[in-house]
Amino acid sequence: DSGVTQTPKHLITATGQRVTLRCSPRSGDLSVYWYQQSLDQGLQFLIQYYNGEERAKGNILERFSAQQFPDLHSELNLSSLELGDSALYFCASSVSGQGTETQYFGPGTRLLVL
Amino acid sequence: AQTVTQSQPEMSVQEAETVTLSCTYDTSESDYYLFWYKQPPSRQMILVIRQEAYKQQNATENRFSVNFQKAAKSFSLKISDSQLGDAAMYFCAYGTGTYKYIFGTGTRLKVLA
Repeated sequence: DSGVTQTPKHLITATGQRVTLRCSPRSGDLSVYWYQQSLDQGLQFLIQYYNGEERAKGNILERFSAQQFPDLHSELNLSSLELGDSALYFCASSVSGQGTETQYFGPGTRLLVL
Repeated sequence: AQTVTQSQPEMSVQEAETVTLSCTYDTSESDYYLFWYKQPPSRQMILVIRQEAYKQQNATENRFSVNFQKAAKSFSLKISDSQLGDAAMYFCAYGTGTYKYIFGTGTRLKVLA
């Protein structure tokens, strides 16, 4: 158990819909990362937050947005969903968000868009 | 730009044998860290081992060790006495003082009984 929690574990929805994925970092970690992993693919970095502020952005679509709240939990919002958005979405956390730190991953949210 | 390459999409190893997974990277940075993550069928990402670039000594964690060749920009993972539970996808990752990791595409390891 990494100490990072993600909810829900599974999500099935229809095209055009909007969903919210939630992540709680490990106790003491200030930085949260979001990754997307499509079937049998590597991890694509989406976005990073540190202490409530966006710090880095990767290949995140305009239909996707995220935020980190004062209690440090983070939410990833996916809207106007398409079939290709079906993937495993990981949240990871680290202490201060430096790339030299170990990132601890949550169990992921499996999103299926029908 | 930094890149991470895992040239072996799939590897097989006999139970109790040793296997080495390859990873190469490209960077102009001098201070960075390298990581190996394991992703078993449960899809959970688990840190296996990490190596600081400024350390000459290769990192070791029980049956897992790395061969870090800084000049060659190579970071291979050696798994000794392979067990059935080692079957997984293994991802190499590179991190610097900037904020994100760069992951390789992964190597699927099969362990044969």
